[in-house]
Amino acid sequence: AQTVTQSQPEMSVQEAETVTLSCTYDTSESDYYLFWYKQPPSRQMILVIRQEAYKQQNATENRFSVNFQKAAKSFSLKISDSQLGDAAMYFCAYRRTRSNDMRFGAGTRLTVKP
Amino acid sequence: GAVVSQHPSWVICKSGTSVKIECRSLDFQATTMFWYRQFPKQSLMLMATSNEGSKATYEQGVEKDKFLINHASLTLSTLTVTSAHPEDSSFYICSGRGRGQYEQYFGPGTRLTVT
Repeated sequence: AQTVTQSQPEMSVQEAETVTLSCTYDTSESDYYLFWYKQPPSRQMILVIRQEAYKQQNATENRFSVNFQKAAKSFSLKISDSQLGDAAMYFCAYRRTRSNDMRFGAGTRLTVKP
Repeated sequence: GAVVSQHPSWVICKSGTSVKIECRSLDFQATTMFWYRQFPKQSLMLMATSNEGSKATYEQGVEKDKFLINHASLTLSTLTVTSAHPEDSSFYICSGRGRGQYEQYFGPGTRLTVT
C-alpha cells in the first residue's frame, strides 16, 4: 500500500522568509505523480505544484518549488518570500500513474507571521 | 484551472433523513469523480470513485448502501447520505478528473451537520 507521511503538523514562517514543508512516501512503483495541495480556511483545495516521477528536474511554480528525491522517496515543498495569503493547510499527495487512487498525507498547517 | 461546484455548501438535517449533495464539473467533462470525507483538522479520506455510467467503487469500510453515489453524466455526480446519523456529520468534498488528465479538480466542499 502507498502511504504519504507529513511529519510536521504545524509550521510557521515570518513574512518574506522561506519555509520548507516535508513529505515522504512509500511505494514500490516507479511511475507516479506527486502533488502539493493548499487548503485555505475556505476549505477549497488548490493545486500548488505537481511532479512526475520520471522527471529528474524539480518542479517550480513561481515562489513554490519542490525538492524531489526519488531514491529517498522524499518530496518537500519550499515556499520562498512567504506571504500572508500562503497561510493554509498543505497536503502532500501521491497517485500511481494510470490509477484513480490519490493518497493524501495528514497535512501541515502553515502560519505566516507578519 | 477547471471548476467544480458543489451544492449545497452547508446542510443541516435531522437524524434519520436523507440528504443529497451535487457535484458538477462546469467547464470540463469529468469522466471520473471522487468523493472524499474530511473530519476537522484531518486529511481527506477517499470514500468512493465513480466513472461516468458505471457503478461506484467504494473504499474499504465505506457503506455503499448508506452513501449512494450516482455519476449519470460527464458533468454531474451526486452523493446521497441515507438515514443520516450525527456521526455522519463531516465535510464532504468531490473531485473530478477528465479523460487522460493527471490533475483532479476539487469542489469547494459541503458541510453536513446531522442533528
